[in-house]
Amino acid sequence: AQKVTQAQTEISVVEKEDVTLDCVYETRDTTYYLFWYKQPPSGELVFLIRRNSFDEQNEISGRYSWNFQKSTSSFNFTITASQVVDSAVYFCALGETSGSRLTFGEGTQLTVNP
Amino acid sequence: ETGVTQSPTHLIKTRGQQVTLRCSSQSGHNTVSWYQQALGQGPQFIFQYYREEENGRGNFPPRFSGLQFPNYSSELNVNALELDDSALYLCASSADRARQETQYFGPGTRLLVL
Repeated sequence: AQKVTQAQTEISVVEKEDVTLDCVYETRDTTYYLFWYKQPPSGELVFLIRRNSFDEQNEISGRYSWNFQKSTSSFNFTITASQVVDSAVYFCALGETSGSRLTFGEGTQLTVNP
Repeated sequence: ETGVTQSPTHLIKTRGQQVTLRCSSQSGHNTVSWYQQALGQGPQFIFQYYREEENGRGNFPPRFSGLQFPNYSSELNVNALELDDSALYLCASSADRARQETQYFGPGTRLLVL
């Protein structure tokens, strides 16, 4: 069975601080897909990044960066110089090979205070 | 914006009633997935439709059913509503299930069952 664990339920930081959101996953598939989504108060899930299991290269996009470590089954997300607009719930998700379901973690509520 | 639309945005029903939620997929997408998100939790996979056929189902009872139409839009039907069905229902579309394409979410329908 697939499982995603986001151990941090809530994180509160002050603007301009760096923050890392942790994600640990479990799967028996040899090929799988990892995602991060952002959910602002409006409720819509906004796609941030997708990583395929066979591509362990880390990625940076502006203030966002992702660290994929297959050896520890982790896919962590770092926001550098956080801003108030980054406040949202962030979900890590695991996609199975068949392309159907996504298994989500419980989410991390990030609050960035001015 | 993803181009995925859902209607209605909010809905109030009473226990035992039936409800139909609608989703229009992004142009060019042939796969629609439905998720239920209870308050404070991560989305849970209900089922997926690919080219008008159900492709994968989560741990939801048969009173949760769906349809996909030739234009790839979709409906989620829930019969005999229960109080625990109160949640945010999210629809996601993807370009092609067979290629494990990324799922893009709509704004959701908030259902309250009294």
